[in-house]
Formats: sequence, C-alpha cells, structure tokens
Amino acid sequence: AQKITQTQPGMFVQEKEAVTLDCTYDTSDQSYGLFWYKQPSSGEMIFLIYQGSYDEQNATEGRYSLNFQKARKSANLVISASQLGDSAMYFCAMRILGGAQKLVFGQGTRLTINP
Amino acid sequence: ETGVTQTPRHLVMGMTNKKSLKCEQHLGHNAMYWYKQSAKKPLELMFVYSLEERVENNSVPSRFSPECPNSSHLFLHLHTLQPEDSALYLCASSQVGIGLAGGISYNEQFFGPGTRLTVL
Repeated sequence: AQKITQTQPGMFVQEKEAVTLDCTYDTSDQSYGLFWYKQPSSGEMIFLIYQGSYDEQNATEGRYSLNFQKARKSANLVISASQLGDSAMYFCAMRILGGAQKLVFGQGTRLTINP
Repeated sequence: ETGVTQTPRHLVMGMTNKKSLKCEQHLGHNAMYWYKQSAKKPLELMFVYSLEERVENNSVPSRFSPECPNSSHLFLHLHTLQPEDSALYLCASSQVGIGLAGGISYNEQFFGPGTRLTVL
C-alpha cells in the first residue's frame, strides 16, 4: 500500500528565511509521481510542484524546489525567501503512474510565517 | 467562470435531509474527483470518474452517491448523513493521459474551493 508521512504538524518560520517541509513516502512501485499542494485558509488546494520518480533532476518552480532523495524515499519541499502569504497548510501527495488516478495525501504541515 | 467551482460553499443539514453538492470544471479535463477532508486526517479520496469509468473507495458509505453526467459536471448526492460526515468536501479535476496541448501532462489535480458541510 502507498503511504505518505509528514512528520511536522506545524512549523513557524521568520519571514525571508528558507523553510524545508518534510515528506517521506512508501511504495513498492517503480513509477510514481510526487506532488506538493498548498491549502490556504480559504480551503482551495493549490498545486505547487511535481517530481516524477524517473526525473533525474530535482524539480523547481520559482521559490519552490523539491529535494528528491529516491533511495531514502523522501521528497522534501523547500521554500526560499518565505513570505507572509506562504502561511498555509502544505500537503505532500503521491500518485502511482499508469494506474487509477488516485492521489494519496499526507496529513499536512501547517506553516506559519512570522513578520 | 474559470478553474473548478463548487456550490454551495457552506451547507448545514439535518440527518434526515437530502442534499446535493455540485462541482463544475472549466478546464477541459477528462477526470473528476471527490475528496473528503476531516479535521486532523489526510484527504480521503471518495470517488473518481476518469474516462467515463467510475472508481470508488470501498470504505465510503452508501449514503454518499456520486453522479457524473458529463466530463464537466460532478455531483455528490447526500442522504441520511451522520454528524461524523461533517467535513470539507473537495472536488478536483485533471487531464488523464496526453496533455491538452499534445504534450505529456503531470496529471496534477486542480481543486475547487470546497463545500463546508455540517451535519446536525
């Protein structure tokens, strides 16, 4: 069975600092994709970044980067130069490629950026 | 309208009521999803409609009934709910397979704002 673990229920970071949100995953499949979503207080889930299991380079999208360590089965999200608007819940998710379109989510990390 | 919309945004209902949640996607996607988000629990996939095929989570009670009349609309019909069904219900859509522009898609799911359901 696939499982996502996010061990940090909450994090507090000073504005403009970088922050790393942890995510480990468990799967026996070789082909999978890893996603990070942001959920502000409004409730909508916003897609941030994607990493495929066969991608050799770490994904980057603006201030977001994904530290993908396949052997350790970790896919940590790094946010550089944090901003007040980054305060939200962050979810790591995994999808097995080629199968039904099912995303398995972690429990999330609540990130609070302090001014 | 753009993206994924959901109505109503908030719903309070009694255990004997029947109500429906509506989701509409304006992205030309071919798959739609219902998720349940309860406090302190991971998002739980309830139903998937992908390429006209329905996939469901076997743990979802029968008091939840989905309907997908076309690729743009998705409903969740609710009847005789329980207080523990109170949660945020999120709809999502994605493009399965080849991307809309002909390239490969991540198949990332785009979510609506959710319906906050309270069952009294």
